[in-house]
Amino acid sequence: DSGVTQTPKHLITATGQRVTLRCSPRSGDLSVYWYQQSLDQGLQFLIQYYNGEERAKGNILERFSAQQFPDLHSELNLSSLELGDSALYFCASSVYVGVGYTFGSGTRLTVV
Amino acid sequence: AQKVTQAQTEISVVEKEDVTLDCVYETRDTTYYLFWYKQPPSGELVFLIRRNSFDEQNEISGRYSWNFQKSTSSFNFTITASQVVDSAVYFCALSVPPPSGGSYIPTFGRGTSLIVHP
Repeated sequence: DSGVTQTPKHLITATGQRVTLRCSPRSGDLSVYWYQQSLDQGLQFLIQYYNGEERAKGNILERFSAQQFPDLHSELNLSSLELGDSALYFCASSVYVGVGYTFGSGTRLTVV
Repeated sequence: AQKVTQAQTEISVVEKEDVTLDCVYETRDTTYYLFWYKQPPSGELVFLIRRNSFDEQNEISGRYSWNFQKSTSSFNFTITASQVVDSAVYFCALSVPPPSGGSYIPTFGRGTSLIVHP
C-alpha cells in the first residue's frame, strides 16, 4: 500500500457521461498530481494542486477539471466522455514541490 | 523542454539473465531529478529510485543497480539474475525546476516492457 488511495479502481461508463475520480494523498503530502496513461500517449501529466491551489497544468482537456479540497483530497472530473478518454488515471502525491512522488494504484476508466 | 527516451520498447530474457534498461534524458537545467518506476501487470506504479543531478554515485539495491552518467545524459537500470517477478513495464522519469516558480513536474519516458521467461 503506497498510502495514496484512488477510488474507484474501475469505472465503466457511456459516451457523453460525466465521472468523478477521487484521490486521497499520502498523509502529510500537500501536492497532488494527476496523470493519464493511455496506450498511444504513455503517461501524460494533467494537472497539479498544492495545498488547495492549482500549481501546474499539462495536457488537460477543457472537458476535464480538478480540485483539491481543504482535507487535501482531490477529485478529477471528466465530462462529455469520449471513447478516447478510456485510460488509466493515476494520482500521485508528494510532501513538497520537487521530489518524491508516490502513486496510487490508479482508476481504470472504460468509456463504451 | 525536457525529454526522456527509453528506446527499448520491449525486452525478453530468460530467468537468471542480467538485463539493462536504457534511459536517456534531455534537459538544459543543471539541477534535476531522475526516477525509475515499475508497473507490474496489476497496474500500479511502484517507485524504485530517485537521483539528483549532483549525485553521480551509482547505486545498488539487491539485484537492482543504477548507472547515472551525466556525460552521456543516461540513467540506466540493470537487473542482475532476473526473475519472473521482475516482468513489468519500467518507466524512467525526469523532473526539472519550473521556468518561473511553481512545481517540478516529472516527465516520463514511454516505458520498457520487460518479460522474463522461466
